[in-house]
Amino acid sequence: ETGVTQSPTHLIKTRGQQVTLRCSSQSGHNTVSWYQQALGQGPQFIFQYYREEENGRGNFPPRFSGLQFPNYSSELNVNALELDDSALYLCASSLGPPGNEQFFGPGTRLTVL
Amino acid sequence: TQLLEQSPQFLSIQEGENLTVYCNSSSVFSSLQWYRQEPGEGPVLLVTVVTGGEVKKLKRLTFQFGDARKDSSLHITAAQPGDTGLYLCAGDNAGNNRKLIWGLGTSLAVNP
Repeated sequence: ETGVTQSPTHLIKTRGQQVTLRCSSQSGHNTVSWYQQALGQGPQFIFQYYREEENGRGNFPPRFSGLQFPNYSSELNVNALELDDSALYLCASSLGPPGNEQFFGPGTRLTVL
Repeated sequence: TQLLEQSPQFLSIQEGENLTVYCNSSSVFSSLQWYRQEPGEGPVLLVTVVTGGEVKKLKRLTFQFGDARKDSSLHITAAQPGDTGLYLCAGDNAGNNRKLIWGLGTSLAVNP
């Protein structure tokens, strides 16, 4: 059974640029959630996809967008990067309705200069 | 807005001491999950509590779900340096917009 994988591991961008982060779900999982985590704090929910449709969104601006593909892999896109977007971005997959146990990837560390 | 408040935010103790981490809310959750996160990794699920008043034990860790399913605690007995990490609680809101509501975490450091 393959776990959740994320790419890239680390990324450095400059203010105003756009970034795409990728996530491969654990085999058989149909729900993907994306989180932003600042150093030493808990994850902040960005949004969630269930069976390819957005199924909830946190308090993040529209420049944060996402996709879930038929194979349940997912992308997080962030436009017009700001310095405060620097964080660890975590992807978590789960089986069945959202709210079930989530399996996290190792995250992508994004630094915006 | 549903919130989960965790306390304390930071905890630094000596090996062998006991500690308790609290997770409180004014909202009712259908279940509550506890995760542990180590630096450079994603959170890993420790336990899920579902029934009000439920107590679950995982070696030296004891998890309790409040009777009203609004709060939970994690007690660690005889802490060891390997227990060091960020402990997170997350509640399943089981509503129309179902998702996990996350606490901000308790950063635990166990010193040898």
